[in-house]
Amino acid sequence: KQEVTQIPAALSVPEGENLVLNCSFTDSAIYNLQWFRQDPGKGLTSLLLIQSSQREQTSGRLNASLDKSSGRSTLYIAASQPGDSATYLCAVRPEGSNYQLIWGAGTKLIIKP
Amino acid sequence: GAVVSQHPSRVICKSGTSVKIECRSLDFQATTMFWYRQFPKKSLMLMATSNEGSKATYEQGVEKDKFLINHASLTLSTLTVTSAHPEDSSFYICSAGTGRGPSTDTQYFGPGTRLTVL
Repeated sequence: KQEVTQIPAALSVPEGENLVLNCSFTDSAIYNLQWFRQDPGKGLTSLLLIQSSQREQTSGRLNASLDKSSGRSTLYIAASQPGDSATYLCAVRPEGSNYQLIWGAGTKLIIKP
Repeated sequence: GAVVSQHPSRVICKSGTSVKIECRSLDFQATTMFWYRQFPKKSLMLMATSNEGSKATYEQGVEKDKFLINHASLTLSTLTVTSAHPEDSSFYICSAGTGRGPSTDTQYFGPGTRLTVL
């Protein structure tokens, strides 16, 4: 059974720092992995999607990597800003699944001005 | 493009009543829609998957008679929480997919509905 874990559950850093969020999954048989952002009481915004054949994806100050064989992904945020404060969720789509995404519990990020 | 709306965004109801939540894809046709439930500081929990014109597929442990899902058209799915109890209070999120294959489809998420049952 696929399980997705995100560590740490919460992270607080000063503005301007570079930081890394971690996501691990137990079964490497996945179609893709996505990183999402969720603001308090809001829905989800997809940040980056990495297909199983890819190693990384970049969007602006965000870079997501995928090491499928070891079951790990990282989300790197460069030059963090207070507006980056949110909960970041990762989700994997298992091979053979009909759309189903398996979710981590998220990392709550606070960027201090 | 690819906007999904949910209505209402917030609802408070009394125990025993039924509540309907709508999920609409505004600028695309959603062949598949998903309903999730999110508890505080927990992962999203997939409740059910619905394809237009067919019955929803419920995840294990989700009562289909309590959480009625209707995917009436390619742009609208509804979730009705019947005979609501305080333990049904939660954040409900829908998402919509544009294809039927798992490898290329992206899910677009609605903004969520906060349900509070008194």
